[in-house]
Amino acid sequence: GIQVEQSPPDLILQEGANSTLRCNFSDSVNNLQWFHQNPWGQLINLFYIPSGTKQNGRLSATTVATERYSLLYISSSQTTDSGVYFCAGGGSYIPTFGRGTSLIVHP
Amino acid sequence: DTEVTQTPKHLVMGMTNKKSLKCEQHMGHRAMYWYKQKAKKPPELMFVYSYEKLSINESVPSRFSPECPNSSLLNLHLHALQPEDSALYLCASSQDSGFEQFFGPGTRLTVL
Repeated sequence: GIQVEQSPPDLILQEGANSTLRCNFSDSVNNLQWFHQNPWGQLINLFYIPSGTKQNGRLSATTVATERYSLLYISSSQTTDSGVYFCAGGGSYIPTFGRGTSLIVHP
Repeated sequence: DTEVTQTPKHLVMGMTNKKSLKCEQHMGHRAMYWYKQKAKKPPELMFVYSYEKLSINESVPSRFSPECPNSSLLNLHLHALQPEDSALYLCASSQDSGFEQFFGPGTRLTVL
């Protein structure tokens, strides 16, 4: 199956800082999502982005399908951005999750 | 309505108990999923239902028994669980297999 590698595994920021999270895939993916898991365990959809670029407020994502990676940008981070960020992607069926990036934003 | 609901939110059960987890969606999605998530790990796929039929069972022990009574509901029946089965159980749905997934809030299960 597809292997998904996320980096960095851990990230600590001061409020207001910007960051980039990366997701690499071992093979082509037809579906790719970014999630934020909050401290209560809820997985919140950030982006469904098999290719191209999308923006939603302070967050944006870019997937370069031909090079098998995706990037999540967080600008002007806030304490509420803390949590674990997962990417998940698959060929034509069920997505595989990466191990996540744990983000802590200090006030 | 882009919501997946799960009940109960928390469940504590003994190793001899029988309990069920419930999941519901009203988005008209035809694929539904059960995931298990241990602390500091990614969600791990257990079962996939597609058009109300079980299409994937990721070698899950028989003490976990899924059921899809109709296209909106997904149950997970639990029997004779072990303490190591304690985890967050997440339900998800998507328009069809391989499409964008939407997750419920999860059931936090503790097996004593």
